[in-house]
Amino acid sequence: GENVEQHPSTLSVQEGDSAVIKCTYSDSASNYFPWYKQELGKGPQLIIDIRSNVGEKKDQRIAVTLNKTAKHFSLHITETQPEDSAVYFCAASTSTGGGNKLTFGTGTQLKVEL
Amino acid sequence: EAQVTQNPRYLITVTGKKLTVTCSQNMNHEYMSWYRQDPGLGLRQIYYSMNVEVTDKGDVPEGYKVSRKEKRNFPLILESPSPNQTSLYFCASSLGVEQYFGPGTRLTVT
Repeated sequence: GENVEQHPSTLSVQEGDSAVIKCTYSDSASNYFPWYKQELGKGPQLIIDIRSNVGEKKDQRIAVTLNKTAKHFSLHITETQPEDSAVYFCAASTSTGGGNKLTFGTGTQLKVEL
Repeated sequence: EAQVTQNPRYLITVTGKKLTVTCSQNMNHEYMSWYRQDPGLGLRQIYYSMNVEVTDKGDVPEGYKVSRKEKRNFPLILESPSPNQTSLYFCASSLGVEQYFGPGTRLTVT
């Protein structure tokens, strides 16, 4: 089955700096890669996703890049703010229809320091 | 408001005492799923359901049961809980690719 590795497990940055979280996946059939943000005491929430036919996607201060050949994808957060502090999970899926099975990475605890 | 709800949010129980964690969604989603979250392991899928009366095992189904008698509800049943099922549990639902997660249920089995 699919295996997703995520690094680093913890990341501390100064406010205003950029943060990068990297994930690798094993199943070349995976074609959908979402990123979830989990704030303390809450469930994960989708913040951005990318499909395998796209190399990069951007939404304001966050962006995701995908390298299908190397089987890795990354989350980039620019101009970090204290409210960006949370746990971030990457995931991979082999389906883009209803009922897709997500395999998650182990999470990155991001701390944005003032 | 579109949401996934779980009850209870916190539960402390003893080994062997049957329990049920309820999950309900108001978005008419066909797909529902249960995950457990453990430190250093991320979220792992326990069971999922593609539609009413259709359920299947995820990656870590041992010790759990589910049912899907109605589209909106997907309860997680632990017939005989053990301490290794102490974890944070999340229910999720989706119509397409985006999964919507509930707020979580923190279960402690002593």
